[in-house]
Amino acid sequence: DAKTTQPNSMESNEEEPVHLPCNHSTISGTDYIHWYRQLPSQGPEYVIHGLTSNVNNRMASLAIAEDRKSSTLILHRATLRDAAVYYCLLHGSGNTGKLIFGQGTTLQVKP
Amino acid sequence: EAGVAQSPRYKIIEKRQSVAFWCNPISGHATLYWYQQILGQGPKLLIQFQNNGVVDDSQLPKDRFSAERLKGVDSTLKIQPAKLEDSAVYLCASSSSPLGGPRNEQFFGPGTRLTVL
Repeated sequence: DAKTTQPNSMESNEEEPVHLPCNHSTISGTDYIHWYRQLPSQGPEYVIHGLTSNVNNRMASLAIAEDRKSSTLILHRATLRDAAVYYCLLHGSGNTGKLIFGQGTTLQVKP
Repeated sequence: EAGVAQSPRYKIIEKRQSVAFWCNPISGHATLYWYQQILGQGPKLLIQFQNNGVVDDSQLPKDRFSAERLKGVDSTLKIQPAKLEDSAVYLCASSSSPLGGPRNEQFFGPGTRLTVL
């Protein structure tokens, strides 16, 4: 199973944009890039996913490198409620659909 | 739409005792997952069901853990006997993804926090 690499922690100021990077150099052609986040004392929550093109939804944007070996989750205006652990995962149709979580990036948002 | 329900939310037991967790997935979701999350780590998949059949239980410690999904809806995860290292949050998730089909998102429940003394 392909792995992802993320920084252990990041800090941001409230109402500023946040760019969370993820490296996935062993990604295969059928792997989707998924992002989940986990707030304290809650289960993980789906944020966004994409295959090749950049994606936008109400929560965030996902920028995918042209070679697909890295991606960036963009929170346009961080709020205190965005403080969480953010997981970048590869989710391929070639497997049974299981998600393999790494350590994730702990995002701290300062008021 | 109701989310994934889990109970109990918290459980404290002594080692060598048994414990069971219950999960009710989102209505219509064929795929159900149980994850174990040890403090400070990401969740680890224990078992995956497609309807009432097991798809992947490669990381389930089968000497003490068991799980079932009768009628392809609710599921229970049991530990017997519990060990100290089983202290963790047990998460249930469901998805509408068919096996081998498009990868849709997983919806997670709030989890059950187990403490083994």
